[in-house]
Parts: sequence; C-alpha cells; structure tokens
Amino acid sequence: QSVLTQPPSASGTPGQRVTISCSGSSSNIGSNTVNWYQQLPGTAPKLLIYSNNQRPSGVPDRFSGSKSGTSASLAISGLQSEDEADYYCAAWDDSLNGRNVFGTGTKVTVL
Amino acid sequence: EVQLVESGGGLVQPGGSLRLSCAASGFTFSSYAMHWVRQAPGKGLEYVSAISSNGGSTYYANSVKGRFTISRDNSKNTLYLQMGSLRAEDMAVYYCAREFGQQWLVSGFDYWGQGTLVTVSS
Repeated sequence: QSVLTQPPSASGTPGQRVTISCSGSSSNIGSNTVNWYQQLPGTAPKLLIYSNNQRPSGVPDRFSGSKSGTSASLAISGLQSEDEADYYCAAWDDSLNGRNVFGTGTKVTVL
Repeated sequence: EVQLVESGGGLVQPGGSLRLSCAASGFTFSSYAMHWVRQAPGKGLEYVSAISSNGGSTYYANSVKGRFTISRDNSKNTLYLQMGSLRAEDMAVYYCAREFGQQWLVSGFDYWGQGTLVTVSS
C-alpha cells in the first residue's frame, strides 16, 4: 500500500487544464523533493517533473509541478489527446530506514 | 542515446528462481546508480532495489529483502537482479531505471527500460 495518495482518475476536454494531487506526510513530501512520471498505455514510465517543479529537456511546458507542505500537484494545461496516460508522483520517505515510494497513480482521460 | 534493455523474464514456479539482466548503452554506466522497479498487472509502481555506481552499496525494499540480490558488472555495462523464493505476489513487469542527480537513492529515475515480465505460477 502506497503512502502517497492520488485520485484514481481525472479528465478533461482538449485545451482544458487538469490538476492531479499527491498527498503525503512529513516523512516524504514534507521533507524531500517530488518527482512525477508519465506512463503512456503499454509503455515504460517517463520522468515528467523532477525536484518538485523542474522539467527535463523535451518535456512541454504545458506540464508543471508544485509542492506545498506535505502535498504536491501536477498541472497539465492545454490538455492534448496524447496526454492520456497514468501519472505517478514519487518521493523518498525517511521512515522505516528510508525507502522510495510511489503514489497510487492517476489515470488521465481526454474526453 | 541512452538505452536500457531488460531480459530474463519468463514463467517460473512458486519457490523458484530467475535472473533478470539490464543491458545499458549510450552513457557511462559506471557513473550511475541503478534501480529496479516493478509493476504488477494492472497495478501501480513498486520500488524494488538499488545499487550504487561502483556496486559497493545496495538497497532492498522490505518485500524482497533476503530473497532478491542486485548486482552489476561495469565492464559489461549490465545490471542484474537475482530473484529467489519467488511468490505469486512477485509477478510483475520489472523495469530497470537509471538514477539521476547526486543523492544516492533519493534523486529519482531519468531513464527506464521497456520492462520484462515475470510470471509466477504453477
């Protein structure tokens, strides 16, 4: 069972803005940076956002990340059909001698 | 171009063993920590194991500790995961991933392989 909680689903029409939340605690998001991964259907995860709000080279600026306290968010603005995917947040958790933890995942559907 | 290619997955009986490999190319393999992450069918991502760039440090999730062994051969640019005492709940697609950043274990994963499926069934 994951310690990072995400909504199971989110949706929007093309061009809309969609936001995905990731709720954690003081031992993970509250004290460490958050990364976001995108997993298109049938493919491996891809790094989308790192260090809370940084985009790797090649990731469109439609994707943005933020963190406040023990929660983080991923926003997709100008939603496109190719954004339909599963999205996972991730962070290091300092409890239990430390461990990497992933969020429960959010399926984004483009209507 | 960075490439990570996993192999070695397949069908194994409960209690059996399997060794996964991850062949790396397109970067200086010996400079990066490497990780294994798995995904059960229709489920989310689960962290499995890590190894430092020189192989001197390893990390295991509690769910696999004592049953799995991670290793690497920097001369062959290859990462391994030796899996033993396999259980039904170990059935998953196993991904190898490269760690970016300077903080061992903490930074995250910037490149992932395509994954290899491990099926545990009698």
